[in-house]
Amino acid sequence: ETGVTQTPRHLVMGMTNKKSLKCEQHLGHNAMYWYKQSAKKPLELMFVYNFKEQTENNSVPSRFSPECPNSSHLFLHLHTLQPEDSALYLCASSNQQSYEQYFGPGTRLTVT
Amino acid sequence: AQSVTQLDSQVPVFEEAPVELRCNYSSSVSVYLFWYVQYPNQGLQLLLKYLSGSTLVESINGFEAEFNKSQTSFHLRKPSVHISDTAEYFCAVSTSYNTDKLIFGTGTRLQVFP
Repeated sequence: ETGVTQTPRHLVMGMTNKKSLKCEQHLGHNAMYWYKQSAKKPLELMFVYNFKEQTENNSVPSRFSPECPNSSHLFLHLHTLQPEDSALYLCASSNQQSYEQYFGPGTRLTVT
Repeated sequence: AQSVTQLDSQVPVFEEAPVELRCNYSSSVSVYLFWYVQYPNQGLQLLLKYLSGSTLVESINGFEAEFNKSQTSFHLRKPSVHISDTAEYFCAVSTSYNTDKLIFGTGTRLQVFP
């Protein structure tokens, strides 16, 4: 498989559930990102990892917990979410020399 | 801090007509500028970018954008659109001291009608 993949593509969860989103990149990049895309709002950068180290946390609530075990994999652990957390969650990766970020197809999350 | 404004949330246009999607940015330092496109149920794809050099940049599918420093703009243009160009278009900015941090606009929905 090539590019950036995300699983699951769709997720419905209750406010008391715990779930995880997975992102995998097959591009040999060293930086990975989580974004939140809500209707009528700009994409919001949530977290940045460079060489597995978190370099950016954009004031994200603690109910979102990222994990980057290696440069190819990125997880977003979710617990006790709120309905307003319903959105499309996009993962991206990049090579720092190119400036270009490659995006996955996203996980559509609905919190009920 | 940087910011990006896309004034047009929707742009309807007929097939083969020209189109311009507007993007203005605000920054106190030098910027890198990007246009991304998002087709339904897909992630974002880079359309074109300005890093330095020629202020006019082109994509492989006929889009072009011009960096205008005095007007702080990076408008996207295409002389003749196709039905397949229907998508959401996002303008984004980053800076040389923090290339990881892309600031996006709210997006412009381009709808091409036959």
